[in-house]
This record gives sequence, C-alpha cells and structure tokens, in this order.
Amino acid sequence: EVQLVESGGGLVQPGGSLRLSCAASGFSFSGFSMNWVRQAPGKGLEWVAYISSSSSTIYYADSVKGRFAISRDSANNSLFLQMSNLRDEDTAVYYCVKMGSSGRKSWFDSWGHGTLVTVSS
Amino acid sequence: EIVLTQSPGTLSLSPGERATLSCRASERIISNYLAWYQQRPGQAPRLLIYGASSRATGIPDRFSGSGSGTEFTLTITRLEPEDFAVYYCQQYGRSRTFGQGTKVEI
Repeated sequence: EVQLVESGGGLVQPGGSLRLSCAASGFSFSGFSMNWVRQAPGKGLEWVAYISSSSSTIYYADSVKGRFAISRDSANNSLFLQMSNLRDEDTAVYYCVKMGSSGRKSWFDSWGHGTLVTVSS
Repeated sequence: EIVLTQSPGTLSLSPGERATLSCRASERIISNYLAWYQQRPGQAPRLLIYGASSRATGIPDRFSGSGSGTEFTLTITRLEPEDFAVYYCQQYGRSRTFGQGTKVEI
C-alpha cells in the first residue's frame, strides 16, 4: 500500500523559512515523479511543484518560483520542499503527491494527509 | 495557463439521485489528459478518474467520466451517502491546473 507521510509544517512569520518532508513507502519511489500540492483554508487545490524521478526536471507554479525549492532523496525515499521568504498567502495544507505513471504527463494517484503551514506574525 | 471552470458550484441532491458535474477548459486539453478527484471533509483528495474516462483502482462503477477537447463530465449514477463531497477536475497536459471544485451536498 502506498503511504506518503508529510511533516515539518507549523507556524512561521512572514519572510521566514520552513522545510517540509515527505516519507514515502509501499512503492518504488525512485521510479516515479512527485509533486507538492497545497490547499489554503476553505479554498481549492493549487499545484506547487514537480520533480522528475531522476531530479533532472523540476517545475514550479509562478506563485512560488524563486522562493520554493523541491528536492528528493531516492536512497531514503524522501521528498522535500524548502520554502523561503514566506508570505501570508502561502498559508495552506501542503500535500505530497505521487504521479500515477512514470511519464511526465500523468495524473496524481496517491496523496498524503497533508501538513499545515501557517504564515502569520 | 489552461483555466478549468467547473459547474455548478454547488449541487444539491438526495441519495439515489444522479449527479452530473461539468468541467470546461479554456483551451483544448491534449490527449484527454484530464482527471477527477473527490475530497471529503477533513480528508486528502482521492483520484477517481484519469484520462478523462478511466476509473482509478477501487473506484465503484457508479462513477464515470466522459468528454474530450474542452468539455468534460463526471457522472455519479446513484449517489451514496459517502459521495457527498467536493469534486475537482485537473488537467495535466500542459503544466497542471485544477478547477475550483463542485460541492455535492444533500
């Protein structure tokens, strides 16, 4: 069974930094691209970042480009999101999400339970 | 960026009724790269449909997806109590974007 467990969320001041982690199990982590998706309180879903299985291809949403960095450690089945220069509008639940196939264009077939990031002074 | 517009915003129905949810894209979605997700209160989203019409593993056959180009539909033939939730469409043909969601309520 695929399991994705996020951690690292919490309260941070505007302008601050935070690093999210996702521990993956139940599948061949090194064979799949991964994503971060967020959801602001009471709002819809917003894709944040993508990283290919080999880490050679990375994409970001315009709203986080230059401030967030996605990375992975396939030896330890882990996905990360380094967030810096955080803004109030970054407040959201952040989900670690697995792609459904090995291709770059793929649906999201497994989601973690999410970790809440609150940006507030 | 491809914008997805879902309608209606809220659908009020009773158990046993049929639900029809719409997702319209601002431009053609290549190769029907469209998925549907269900999100129950307090839970993470769950994949229902990918490739516009393929059911994900374990999804009951009362859920079906159809459409192509810019117009897509999710149909739930007979609503069960656990189907009352928010539904999102997503395109993954050019970057990844989500619709704003349709809430199916009793």
